[in-house]
Amino acid sequence: AQTVTQSQPEMSVQEAETVTLSCTYDTSENNYYLFWYKQPPSRQMILVIRQEAYKQQNATENRFSVNFQKAAKSFSLKISDSQLGDTAMYFCALGSNYQLIWGAGTKLIIKP
Amino acid sequence: NAGVTQTPKFRVLKTGQSMTLLCAQDMNHEYMYWYRQDPGMGLRLIHYSVGEGTTAKGEVPDGYNVSRLKKQNFLLGLESAAPSQTSVYFCASGGLADNEQFFGPGTRLTVL
Repeated sequence: AQTVTQSQPEMSVQEAETVTLSCTYDTSENNYYLFWYKQPPSRQMILVIRQEAYKQQNATENRFSVNFQKAAKSFSLKISDSQLGDTAMYFCALGSNYQLIWGAGTKLIIKP
Repeated sequence: NAGVTQTPKFRVLKTGQSMTLLCAQDMNHEYMYWYRQDPGMGLRLIHYSVGEGTTAKGEVPDGYNVSRLKKQNFLLGLESAAPSQTSVYFCASGGLADNEQFFGPGTRLTVL
């Protein structure tokens, strides 16, 4: 069975600091994708960043970057220069065969 | 380009009543999904569809039915609502290129 584990239920940091959210996964598939989605208080699910498993280079999107360790099955999200608008639930998801397996989420609070 | 839309946004039902949630996407996606999200939890897959006229069970299908008569629409039905079905329901769609899913804004359903 495929699983996704987010071990940090809640984190809080000061505005402008850097924060790293952890995610580990388990799969026997060779072809898969990994995603981080953000869910702000508005409830809308928003894609933050995506990583193809066959790519060794870590994905980056502006202030968001990942540390993808394929052998360790780890996929952490780093948010640099955190902003108040980054306050949200963050979900890690494993995608294969057109389905997503979700972690339980990490609640991130950015303090002014 | 509206993306994924859901109707209604809120609904209150009494135990035993029935209702249908409508999801529509205008991205010509093959895949469509229905999830539920309970407080403090991640998303759980109810049913999904890999194309017009096809449906399949997800992780928590009991008490729900679905239909995909048109490619752009995916309906979720509750035949006899129960308080345990109080939740936020999300629809998502995805294309053939990768496993990314695009989400609707969600429907908050309360069953009294």
